Amino acid sequence: KQEVTQIPAALSVPEGENLVLNCSFTDSAIYNLQWFRQDPGKGLTSLLLIQSSQREQTSGRLNASLDKSSGRSTLYIAASQPGDSATYLCDCSNDYKLSFGAGTTVTVRA
Amino acid sequence: EPEVTQTPSHQVTQMGQEVILRCVPISNHLYFYWYRQILGQKVEFLVSFYNNEISEKSEIFDDQFSVERPDGSNFTLKIRSTKLEDSAMYFCASRPGTGDYSPLHFGNGTRLTVT
Repeated sequence: KQEVTQIPAALSVPEGENLVLNCSFTDSAIYNLQWFRQDPGKGLTSLLLIQSSQREQTSGRLNASLDKSSGRSTLYIAASQPGDSATYLCDCSNDYKLSFGAGTTVTVRA
Repeated sequence: EPEVTQTPSHQVTQMGQEVILRCVPISNHLYFYWYRQILGQKVEFLVSFYNNEISEKSEIFDDQFSVERPDGSNFTLKIRSTKLEDSAMYFCASRPGTGDYSPLHFGNGTRLTVT
């Protein structure tokens, strides 16, 4: 059974600081890993998808890396802004089932 | 950009009543999912659906739950006899396929409140 862990559970930083969010998983036989953002009371917005054959993906200020052998992914957010405040979730896809971490709740202070 | 739509956004029901949560996945997607998120807790997988049948289900998805794709566009989750602990946000998701590049798209969810 896939277990996905996200550390830290919460993070508070001043505006402009870079963010580093970690996701670890126990079963490396994944199709892909996807990072999502969730705002309070809202759905999940896809940020980045890393295919199993890839090492990283970038979109604007976001960069996600994937190391399947060690069961880890890291999401970097450069030059954080108050609008980045949200909960960030990672999801690992095996076959027909997807396993989410509990998320990291980020607060960026103006 | 096409999106997954869910209705209603909020449903209140009494314990023991049946509820049907509705979802319209993105039109060319083949795989469909239901998830739930109890307030303050993690997103939990309920069921996946492909080719008009359940592909996989979690231990949460017991006999009280069922899913259906009654036509070419809707994907529904039915809870036969709701319990207080069924109160949660229910998210529908879809993806075009499985494999390396098949991003998951979520709806905005239905908040179910069981009183």
